[in-house]
Amino acid sequence: ELKVEQNPLFLSMQEGKNYTIYCNYSTTSDRLYWYRQDPGKSLESLFVLLSNGAVKQEGRLMASLDTKARLSTLHITAAVHDLSATYFCAVDMVVTDKLIFGTGTRLQVFP
Amino acid sequence: GAGVSQTPSNKVTEKGKYVELRCDPISGHTALYWYRQSLGQGPEFLIYFQGTGAADDSGLPNDRFFAVRPEGSVSTLKIQRTERGDSAVYLCASSSGQVGTEAFFGQGTRLTVV
Repeated sequence: ELKVEQNPLFLSMQEGKNYTIYCNYSTTSDRLYWYRQDPGKSLESLFVLLSNGAVKQEGRLMASLDTKARLSTLHITAAVHDLSATYFCAVDMVVTDKLIFGTGTRLQVFP
Repeated sequence: GAGVSQTPSNKVTEKGKYVELRCDPISGHTALYWYRQSLGQGPEFLIYFQGTGAADDSGLPNDRFFAVRPEGSVSTLKIQRTERGDSAVYLCASSSGQVGTEAFFGQGTRLTVV
């Protein structure tokens, strides 16, 4: 059974600081997705990572994928309050295309 | 439509009743997914359609849950004899069905069973 684990589960950070969220998964997959969810809202797609070594950046967020280590990271640079949300990684089950989501990381950025 | 549309946005029902939740995917998207999200948790897979057929229904928790997509577009998730434990946000997503394309999520239906 595929398991997807994120850490930390909760992250409180000061504006301007850097931090990394980690996503580990338990079986082979070449496709990993990052989503953002604001309270009471649906999921917004952030990044699609499709191969080993893939790196994508959008604004203050950068995501990477190491399929050999079964690890993806979401790096936050110089955090701002607007980044406060819950971030989920999801791994694509190659055979059926269903997404298995991680536990989520709730990020809170304070002044 | 411009995005995935789900109706109703909120549903309160009494224990034991039957409910239907509707999902209207992005036009042209062949793949459709249903997920359930409990408070403080990540979305949990329920069922995946490719066209009209359920390609994977392994996430449906029991036989009270059933979903259809008769014409390959709109899908309905049906829950019989609802229980309080069914209370959650039910999310629908669609994608083009091509490998490596992301799924786009609707706003969800918040189901409360009282």
